[in-house]
Amino acid sequence: EVQLVESGGDLVQPGGSLRLSCATSGFPFSVYWMTWVRQAPGRGLEWVGNINQDGGQTYYMDSVRGRFTISRDNAKSSLYLQMNSLRAEDTALYYCAKDLPTGWFLGGWGQGTLVTVSS
Amino acid sequence: DIQMTQSPSSVSASVGDRVTITCRASQYISTVLGWYQQKPGEAPRLLIYDASNLQPGVPSRFSGSGSGTDFTLTISSLQAEDSATYYCEQANSFPYTFGQGTKLEIK
Repeated sequence: EVQLVESGGDLVQPGGSLRLSCATSGFPFSVYWMTWVRQAPGRGLEWVGNINQDGGQTYYMDSVRGRFTISRDNAKSSLYLQMNSLRAEDTALYYCAKDLPTGWFLGGWGQGTLVTVSS
Repeated sequence: DIQMTQSPSSVSASVGDRVTITCRASQYISTVLGWYQQKPGEAPRLLIYDASNLQPGVPSRFSGSGSGTDFTLTISSLQAEDSATYYCEQANSFPYTFGQGTKLEIK
C-alpha cells in the first residue's frame, strides 16, 4: 500500500524557518518525481514545487522561490521542504504527493501537515 | 505563469444529472491537464490525467475532454458521493498551476 506521511508542521513566527518531512513507503521512491502542494485554510490548492528522481532538478512557484528548498533522501524514501523567511501567507496545510510513473500529475497524496505563521 | 480559470465556481445538481465543469488555460497547454476531486477533510484524488485518461479505480461516469486551452470534466450521472470540490491542474510548464476550484453540491 502506498503511504505518504507528512510531519513537521507547527506554529512559527514571521521570518522564521521550518522543515517539513514526508516519509513514504509502498512504492519505489527513487524512481518518482515528488511534489509539495499547499492549501490555505478554506482556499484552493496551490502547487509549491517539485523534485526529480535524483534531486538534481527542482522547480518552485514564484512566491516561494529563494525561500523554500525541496530535497530528498532516496535511501530513506523521504522528501523534505525547508521553509525560510516564512510569511503569514505561507500559512497552509502542506501535502506531499507522488507523481504518476509517467510524471506530471499527482497520483498519491499524504494527509498533510499544518504550518501556521503568526506572531 | 499559466493561469487556470474554472467555471462555474459552484454548482448544485440532482442525483442522476449530467454535470460539466470547464477549465480554461491562459495559454496553450496541449493536453497536459489533470482533474482532481477533494472532499472536505480529505486529500485530493486524481480523477483524470492528460485531459482524457481515467485514473485506475475512478468510476467510468467521470470523463474529460479538450485540448489547447479549453477543457471539460463531465460526470455523466451524478451520484451523492460526488459532492466535492473539483480542481484542474496544468502540467505543461513550470510552475504548474491549479484552477481555483468548483464546488459541486447535491440538491
